[in-house]
Amino acid sequence: SQQGEEDPQALSIQEGENATMNCSYKTSINNLQWYRQNSGRGLVHLILIRSNEREKHSGRLRVTLDTSKKSSSLLITASRAADTASYFCATDPSGGGADGLTFGKGTHLIIQP
Amino acid sequence: ETGVTQTPRHLVMGMTNKKSLKCEQHLGHNAMYWYKQSAKKPLELMFVYNFKEQTENNSVPSRFSPECPNSSHLFLHLHTLQPEDSALYLCASSQALGGGGSETQYFGPGTRLLVL
Repeated sequence: SQQGEEDPQALSIQEGENATMNCSYKTSINNLQWYRQNSGRGLVHLILIRSNEREKHSGRLRVTLDTSKKSSSLLITASRAADTASYFCATDPSGGGADGLTFGKGTHLIIQP
Repeated sequence: ETGVTQTPRHLVMGMTNKKSLKCEQHLGHNAMYWYKQSAKKPLELMFVYNFKEQTENNSVPSRFSPECPNSSHLFLHLHTLQPEDSALYLCASSQALGGGGSETQYFGPGTRLLVL
């Protein structure tokens, strides 16, 4: 079953604005990760936040995690045209398991110059 | 460049053909994955190998056959595919599974497959 669900499905903003994407999930997790995918390419890992962390920063990226609401958000500040891509959250269910991460459907972000 | 390579990058095949996709990782990882990505659908996990042993097969049709000869190489053998199998096939690797959590996955660039 689908674990992560990103919201919105698509987002179009002007260059320089901030972009916020949300992810909701259903089960307890060890960690939650965000990935980026340029059109037709492989996914690239952006950031990992563990279940005992509430906020994490990496450059222009800020990720929050609320385990009580089973949700996470990814904020990209001062967006650039090169940030245009699809962004996926991926969850690692707690309790182990042999299948690793479960990915959401993604948010397609378009940055207009 | 993530250290995971996939060949070929593009493949067109007929429904009666047999072909293989190859994935190689140079990261010293022990877990490798095959995913299928179709338009407007979430990434679908197909197969997982941990220390060369298959640990997951998410009800994938038998026309897809994985092979993992060692921790660095992963193949996906294709035969008698259907047009609906056309998709981007992504390979990924990570540190070994288990031990209380899954870490970052590193993806290859994918093979764009078109089945005619």
